[in-house]
Amino acid sequence: NAGVTQTPKFQVLKTGQSMTLQCAQDMNHEYMSWYRQDPGMGLRLIHYSVGAGITDQGEVPNGYNVSRSTTEDFPLRLLSAAPSQTSVYFCASRSPGRARRPVSGANVLTFGAGSRLTVL
Amino acid sequence: AQSVTQLDSHVSVSEGTPVLLRCNYSSSYSPSLFWYVQHPNKGLQLLLKYTSAATLVKGINGFEAEFKKSETSFHLTKPSAHMSDAAEYFCVVSPFGYSSASKIIFGSGTRLSIRP
Repeated sequence: NAGVTQTPKFQVLKTGQSMTLQCAQDMNHEYMSWYRQDPGMGLRLIHYSVGAGITDQGEVPNGYNVSRSTTEDFPLRLLSAAPSQTSVYFCASRSPGRARRPVSGANVLTFGAGSRLTVL
Repeated sequence: AQSVTQLDSHVSVSEGTPVLLRCNYSSSYSPSLFWYVQHPNKGLQLLLKYTSAATLVKGINGFEAEFKKSETSFHLTKPSAHMSDAAEYFCVVSPFGYSSASKIIFGSGTRLSIRP
């Protein structure tokens, strides 16, 4: 089925370890993004990309890196994990990447199933 | 600036009774408004959206929401709750049409519990 695929679903890390959360979509969406979900705080934007080769920071980018070499993939890297990064991470995509005129439904996001990360 | 406030962190209703999940927003732009639902251990799924057409919006699974500009509200309702409605619900605001990522604002969520 078409959609957004995230791996792994669960991961436990020790403080200081590095890892990459994978996100892939097969809908040819230009825009992809990473959110973290913490209790009582809704979803907060970490990084986003409006197309291959273009990335930008969201609300909470510190401690995370991203790259966008293809339209399909948008990995999220934790270079040195900290307990404060314990969270559930969601990847989301949509089309278009950047609308220059009002587009109905331009901000409708398709989400992956999430990756639950625990940092000890 | 934009913001969204979900007035209840937890709502509990009996099966078969009405559901009301409250959302207030503020926006400097003409807003698009959304409700997403998240079932346990799942991603978020779009329930319904308002994009400046009809103010009463119908979504999936019998949910609907009414955009009230004078009250800056976008409350989610359902006439009769079903056990399968138990989930977390998020109200989301963004500028109408323009796809600026940093301006998509999520509420903190309302957990809906259904009593048998």
